[in-house]
Amino acid sequence: GQQVMQIPQYQHVQEGEDFTTYCNSSTTLSNIQWYKQRPGGHPVFLIQLVKSGEVKKQKRLTFQFGEAKKNSSLHITATQTTDVGTYFCAGRRDTGNQFYFGTGTSLTVIP
Amino acid sequence: GAGVSQSPRYKVAKRGQDVALRCDPISGHVSLFWYQQALGQGPEFLTYFQNEAQLDKSGLPSDRFFAERPEGSVSTLKIQRTQQEDSAVYLCASRQNNEQFFGPGTRLTVL
Repeated sequence: GQQVMQIPQYQHVQEGEDFTTYCNSSTTLSNIQWYKQRPGGHPVFLIQLVKSGEVKKQKRLTFQFGEAKKNSSLHITATQTTDVGTYFCAGRRDTGNQFYFGTGTSLTVIP
Repeated sequence: GAGVSQSPRYKVAKRGQDVALRCDPISGHVSLFWYQQALGQGPEFLTYFQNEAQLDKSGLPSDRFFAERPEGSVSTLKIQRTQQEDSAVYLCASRQNNEQFFGPGTRLTVL
């Protein structure tokens, strides 16, 4: 079962509004990755965060890794219709190679 | 260059049939993962290979699931005596520098 939870499950925003999805793990993570999956598509890697409190930006996307390395967030500023899709976080523990994917947040952008 | 490819893209099987799903990773990628993604859920880890060695198969749901990568490149996921609950998209990913590159997936429907 899923050990990494994301909220919200669904989000509808007007184009131009901001969007945030939150990811929470029950255990400390060594690193966390974010993926975007378009409808009918496959997950596409966005970024990896490794350090406690790390913040990374990609144009309108801002990614944060919590101080305790148990939570993370993705914030999109001024959403565009091209941002539509499901955003997944995937956390990796200190031991093992597997990534635990979150439940995902499905973003709909209304033009 | 070419990405990860998977075949078939769609498979319909009658309950009880055996199926074999193929993954061609990106050339030179040592690490290969198989995931199962149910509708509306995040990918769930099945198994992990490093070259031809299957280092982690803890995610395989039952002994009906078997994966191999005999020459350290192409991998096959085999499901014996398929059940309706096996219906899902099966994703393969190869990894380089911590980034996972996903294939398009095989959508398996068990009737």
